[in-house]
Amino acid sequence: DAGVIQSPRHEVTEMGQEVTLRCKPISGHNSLFWYRQTMMRGLELLIYFNNNVPIDDSGMPEDRFSAKMPNASFSTLKIQPSEPRDSAVYFCASSYGGLNYGYTFGSGTRLTVV
Amino acid sequence: AQKVTQAQTEISVVEKEDVTLDCVYETRDTTYYLFWYKQPPSGELVFLIRRNSFDEQNEISGRYSWNFQKSTSSFNFTITASQVVDSAVYFCALSEAQGGSEKLVFGKGMKLTVNP
Repeated sequence: DAGVIQSPRHEVTEMGQEVTLRCKPISGHNSLFWYRQTMMRGLELLIYFNNNVPIDDSGMPEDRFSAKMPNASFSTLKIQPSEPRDSAVYFCASSYGGLNYGYTFGSGTRLTVV
Repeated sequence: AQKVTQAQTEISVVEKEDVTLDCVYETRDTTYYLFWYKQPPSGELVFLIRRNSFDEQNEISGRYSWNFQKSTSSFNFTITASQVVDSAVYFCALSEAQGGSEKLVFGKGMKLTVNP
């Protein structure tokens, strides 16, 4: 199993540009999570999907952030327009069977907005 | 509301020393899950252990052991005979089972440096 695959690994963009982060969960996993990691706030959940349906998006910072999961094997997190304070590492994770088995995290996307 | 506190932010030890990482949690639920994750310098998050609130048995996995005490709301992690490869940031996390949410709340993490 290839694990949770995120792309790109690194992204540098200018303020105001649109940024799209991608995630391919582990095949067969039915839940997908987007987390953000910053020095100030640590690891925080942005949104999670179960069976491709958004369940909890209370962590999405503002309307500039949106996430989709069009099918069981793909999800995107979009920031439009991006701002310097969005600079962080964004992790995608997937799981099967709820919390019985824990999450498997991807390697993360390091986003820098200049 | 759920909360995880890792009071230690950074620890430095010499190889072969034992080290314990503290984790204290807050929750109103009677059913919940506790986790530990490791984040090595390469940046990925590695799952170490999951424990549910009804299982207070301590667990040992090689040099790693975990002590879960509901009476003190703690889920501490001990590394025995530490090695340089144990150098990482370690996160404790909590999820409340009520409502079926799978949301994990993480502590701020504790950076462990093991020196040769």
